[in-house]
Amino acid sequence: AQSVSQHNHHVILSEAASLELGCNYSYGGTVNLFWYVQYPGQHLQLLLKYFSGDPLVKGIKGFEAEFIKSKFSFNLRKPSVQWSDTAEYFCAVRGGGSYIPTFGRGTSLIVHP
Amino acid sequence: KAGVTQTPRYLIKTRGQQVTLSCSPISGHRSVSWYQQTPGQGLQFLFEYFSETQRNKGNFPGRFSGRQFSNSRSEMNVSTLELGDSALYLCASSSDPPETQYFGPGTRLLVL
Repeated sequence: AQSVSQHNHHVILSEAASLELGCNYSYGGTVNLFWYVQYPGQHLQLLLKYFSGDPLVKGIKGFEAEFIKSKFSFNLRKPSVQWSDTAEYFCAVRGGGSYIPTFGRGTSLIVHP
Repeated sequence: KAGVTQTPRYLIKTRGQQVTLSCSPISGHRSVSWYQQTPGQGLQFLFEYFSETQRNKGNFPGRFSGRQFSNSRSEMNVSTLELGDSALYLCASSSDPPETQYFGPGTRLLVL
């Protein structure tokens, strides 16, 4: 069965620090990859997605992610976080002809002002 | 376009009761998926409906069921509620063939 691992469950950073959240998946075929964000009290929003092409994907709010096929990874990065980035971040992977993405357990990010 | 809407937003029930949650997808989206979100477990897939038919199903007991209407609106039902059913239930809609899922605000269910 396909699985998605987000190794960092809780991350605490100060403003202006750099961020990298890990995401690894188990499926070896063609995949679609997503990062979603859930701000406190708000619904899940799409940050960025990768379907094909340039493996470095840029999303909203200065986030980017890099698809490394050989490492089965799709890590999320931001060079300088802000207090407003405090949220829960979910990685999701879709593959194997399934329409349904598998989600990781999420990473809770707290940014101190 | 209006986003995905879910009603009600909050619900308190007692064990043994049943509950029905509703989801209206983005206009034009025919695929509706349901997820259960709990702290530490992330999003667990319940089921997906397309054109009034259940197309995919997750690993949840038969107490969890759903349906989709001809206008793509969907409902999910949980019978004989248990304490462990307390969670945020999310609905997501997408176009077909499915591209990106767009999520609603969720229904927070508390079972006492």
